[in-house]
Amino acid sequence: KAGVTQTPRYLIKTRGQQVTLSCSPISGHRSVSWYQQTPGQGLQFLFEYFSETQRNKGNFPGRFSGRQFSNSRSEMNVSTLELGDSALYLCASSPTGTQVYEQYFGPGTRLTVT
Amino acid sequence: AQRVTQPEKLLSVFKGAPVELKCNYSYSGSPELFWYVQYSRQRLQLLLRHISRESIKGFTADLNKGETSFHLKKPFAQEEDSAMYYCALRGSGNTPLVFGKGTRLSVIA
Repeated sequence: KAGVTQTPRYLIKTRGQQVTLSCSPISGHRSVSWYQQTPGQGLQFLFEYFSETQRNKGNFPGRFSGRQFSNSRSEMNVSTLELGDSALYLCASSPTGTQVYEQYFGPGTRLTVT
Repeated sequence: AQRVTQPEKLLSVFKGAPVELKCNYSYSGSPELFWYVQYSRQRLQLLLRHISRESIKGFTADLNKGETSFHLKKPFAQEEDSAMYYCALRGSGNTPLVFGKGTRLSVIA
């Protein structure tokens, strides 16, 4: 099976702009989670989508939003970018119907805000 | 509230020496605990989980509910173990994973 894919891999944006990142989960996985990874804060949970519904949300401002499509692909959007939004954004997908919970991570999208 | 603490940002050991990466957690119920690893230029991947009670690449981790710890251990470190290690916790229900800030392990030849 192909792994989790994320596009684009690298992105440079200017403060005030908005950005959309995309994540394609492993085939058959219905849960997609997003994380922000920075050197200072480590991995911080943004949100999780399951069957097109947001199931969990982390402690991030409303400028961060996401959605999931019927094919389980997910997008996250950040509006009015700030310098502090520069980070590696990771997407992870999880299988369903199993007792063991495991997340499979994508390579990430590195966002640089200038 | 769920919290995971990894007290060491960086741990350096010599090849062949024992390794212990510390992880302490805060959670009132019965958590699921995991260790994830990120090798250089590779994606984050699951190393092991406490419910499996398995040994992966020579690493083991035991859940100590009394001390609320889930330390990762290996008796003899190898150079290829150099990586970033994250401890993670998942509470009951459909709650998200909470990660510690990670420990960078450097194995010196």
